[in-house]
Amino acid sequence: DAGVIQSPRHEVTEMGQEVTLRCKPISGHDYLFWYRQTMMRGLELLIYFNNNVPIDDSGMPEDRFSAKMPNASFSTLKIQPSEPRDSAVYFCASSLFGGSSGANVLTFGAGSRLTVL
Amino acid sequence: AQSVTQLGSHVSVSEGALVLLRCNYSSSVPPYLFWYVQYPNQGLQLLLKYTTGATLVKGINGFEAEFKKSETSFHLTKPSAHMSDAAEYFCAVRDQTGANNLFFGTGTRLTVIP
Repeated sequence: DAGVIQSPRHEVTEMGQEVTLRCKPISGHDYLFWYRQTMMRGLELLIYFNNNVPIDDSGMPEDRFSAKMPNASFSTLKIQPSEPRDSAVYFCASSLFGGSSGANVLTFGAGSRLTVL
Repeated sequence: AQSVTQLGSHVSVSEGALVLLRCNYSSSVPPYLFWYVQYPNQGLQLLLKYTTGATLVKGINGFEAEFKKSETSFHLTKPSAHMSDAAEYFCAVRDQTGANNLFFGTGTRLTVIP
């Protein structure tokens, strides 16, 4: 398996533009997570999906952020309109539920570094 | 609610010296605990995990961690640091409300001095 694949790896855009980040999880994984990493706030969970259904989006900073998972092999995180404070590295991770006696292991993608000017 | 606290945002050790990265957890139920490592410009990789059973857990690259319930700790150690160990290390605890999420600590950046 190629692991979790994210694109683009780097994105530079201007304030007000729409940004779309993409993620392909590991085949067979039933959970998908979007995290944001910044120097100030560290690693923050934005939203996660189970079987393509959003379970918890309480970490999404505001209405400018939206995430979708139209099928088991693809998810997007969209920011519209983007602002300079959205500059961060955005990680996608996927996992297989470990059950009550197991432990889920998240596999992370390499991240998408977003710079909003 | 579960949480982890990592003591020390930066740790420096000499090459060949002991590495000790501290993590304390808060959980009302027996926790599942993890250590992840992040190398520059990469995503996080699993180093090791503790679920149940043996309290001393061995991971990749010579790292190990010991679960100590009495101290609510899960410190990461390596007997002899190597230059390639320079990275950021994250402790995490599994959300046990029925979700599959992990709560991460703020990370500890390890510098290895030649």
